[in-house]
Amino acid sequence: GENVEQHPSTLSVQEGDSAVIKCTYSDSASNYFPWYKQELGKRPQLIIDIRSNVGEKKDQRIAVTLNKTAKHFSLHITETQPEDSAVYFCATTDPPGSARQLTFGSGTQLTVLP
Amino acid sequence: EPEVTQTPSHQVTQMGQEVILRCVPISNHLYFYWYRQILGQKVEFLVSFYNNEISEKSEIFDDQFSVERPDGSNFTLKIRSTKLEDSAMYFCARGRVDAGANVLTFGAGSRLTVL
Repeated sequence: GENVEQHPSTLSVQEGDSAVIKCTYSDSASNYFPWYKQELGKRPQLIIDIRSNVGEKKDQRIAVTLNKTAKHFSLHITETQPEDSAVYFCATTDPPGSARQLTFGSGTQLTVLP
Repeated sequence: EPEVTQTPSHQVTQMGQEVILRCVPISNHLYFYWYRQILGQKVEFLVSFYNNEISEKSEIFDDQFSVERPDGSNFTLKIRSTKLEDSAMYFCARGRVDAGANVLTFGAGSRLTVL
């Protein structure tokens, strides 16, 4: 099955700085790469995703980049704010033909310091 | 505004007891999933349910677990003879195919505490 590695496990940044979280995956057939944000005690919520036919996608202060050759993708948050503090999970979809469940990375605890 | 509603929000049970967690989709979807998240750890896939049948299951989903859609709407996860290590958040999710990708939306979760 798919294996997703996520780094770093914790990340602290000053408010206004940028944060970058990276993930690598093992299955070259994976074609969908979402990022979820989970606040303490809450459910994971989709914040951005990217398909395999796109190299980069932006949505206001967040962006995701994908390098299919190297099998890694990254989340970029610019101008960080205290409300960005949460655990962020990357994920990939198991290959087509399966039930397309997501395999998650181990998560990154992002802390934005005021 | 979750598109799936989960009950109970929190359940405390004694080791060895049976637990049923429920998920009610607000709209009709074909794909449903159960995921588990042990405190402080990642979200782990348990089982997928497609067209009223189990589609895939992980190694975690052993004979202790079962899923059903008994009345065509509620979607249940049953854990028989609970163990201490079953303590976790259990998330139901529904899948929506969007441009070839299966976009998952999670419910608010059910926190299970096994004593």
